[in-house]
Parts: sequence; structure tokens; C-alpha cells
Amino acid sequence: QVQLIQSGAEVKKPGASVKVSCKVSGYILSKLSIHWVRQAPGKGLQWVGGFDPENGETIYAQKFQGRVTMTEDTSTDTAYMELSSLRSDDTAVYYCAIDAHYYDSSGYDYNWFDPWGQGTLVTVSS
Amino acid sequence: SSELTQDPAVSVALGQTVRITCQGDTLRSSYASWYQQKPGEAPVLVIYGKNNRPSGIPDRFSGSSSGNTASLTITGAQAEDEADYYCNSRDSSGDHQRVFGGGTKLTVL
Repeated sequence: QVQLIQSGAEVKKPGASVKVSCKVSGYILSKLSIHWVRQAPGKGLQWVGGFDPENGETIYAQKFQGRVTMTEDTSTDTAYMELSSLRSDDTAVYYCAIDAHYYDSSGYDYNWFDPWGQGTLVTVSS
Repeated sequence: SSELTQDPAVSVALGQTVRITCQGDTLRSSYASWYQQKPGEAPVLVIYGKNNRPSGIPDRFSGSSSGNTASLTITGAQAEDEADYYCNSRDSSGDHQRVFGGGTKLTVL
């Protein structure tokens, strides 16, 4: 079965950058669409971005555009999310997840995230 | 971008049925997926598509959709179902972005 293993917790100063990794086990990264979701302490889930196979591009939530970069190393089956110009409100647990997408016969489309990585806590503090 | 709206908190008596809802314009043409999250753990997919359960999810969990509202129903709620539940869907703006609801805290009494 597919598993996602994320890198360990990070502590960064405001203005710095952080790069979180997500290693795919049990499958081939190039056949998957990896997305990133974050969760600030005591808050809900927030989609950050991910690979969209329909247009072959990585898409980012508008809130993060210009500050986030998602890359992949297919030789090691590892995906990365780098967030720059960190602020205190970027303190959160960052999750990677496999995104799947489908259109059904009635014209409805839908996506789902499964499985998820264990999460990486990024703390931004001076 | 689209938004998905959930009630912040819902409670249910042990063994009773509870419905958790998610509203948003994008749900008129996209099904929601639903996630259960317990404290300190990663979210877990419980429902996706019209009404599909991943392997290992009990059949007391079911999903439905009508108009701009998606629902997650737990029939015969158990103590272990106490958790936060989030809905997710694709943005209706056409740029394929994803969006989450704000989450519903389910308390089993």
C-alpha cells in the first residue's frame, strides 16, 4: 500500500524559508498527484497547492502564490514544498496527500485526498 | 474562489444518527469528499464521490448530495466517531483549485 513519509519538525525565524519533504513508499511518484494542506494550531485544514494532471501544471492557492514552490525528485520518489518569507502565522502542521480526481457518468466531478502523510510541524518564531 | 460552509459543532447521543452538512456553490457540480480528524492525528478519508467508502471505513458512514449541500451521515454513532470532520471539493471557478470547509466538531454524548 502507498505510504507518505514526511520530514521532521522545523523551527525557523521570520523571513526565512522552509523546505518540507514527502517520500512516497510503495508506488511511483511520477504516477501520482501530490498536494499539500496545512493546519494552524487549533484551526481547520487549508489547501496550499499541488500537481494538477489535467493541465500538467502545479497549482497554488492564491493566498500562497509567489511564496510557495512545489517540486518533485522522481529519482527518489520524493515531493517537496518550499515556503519562503515565513511569518509567524505560517506556524502550522503541513501535510502532503495523494490527490485523485474522477468524472462520473452524470457529469459530476470530484477529488479526494488519500492517503496523507503524518504531518510536519513548522514553527516560525524569533 | 469558492467557499464551503460547515456548522462549527454538532452533537449526537450514542447510537443515534447524525448528519453533518457542507454548503457551497461548487457542490452543484462537484461531489464533496469527507475527512475525519482526531486530535494529534492526520486526517483520514471517510467518504468520496457520490457515496464511496474507502476500505476499512465502517458502513455507518454514508454520503449524499442535494443542490448546493453535501451531507455526511453517521448512522448509530459510536464514541470513537467523536472527531473533527472536514468536507473538501474542487473550486467551481475552473482553475482546479481545492477548497476545504471550516470543519465540524462532532461530540458523542
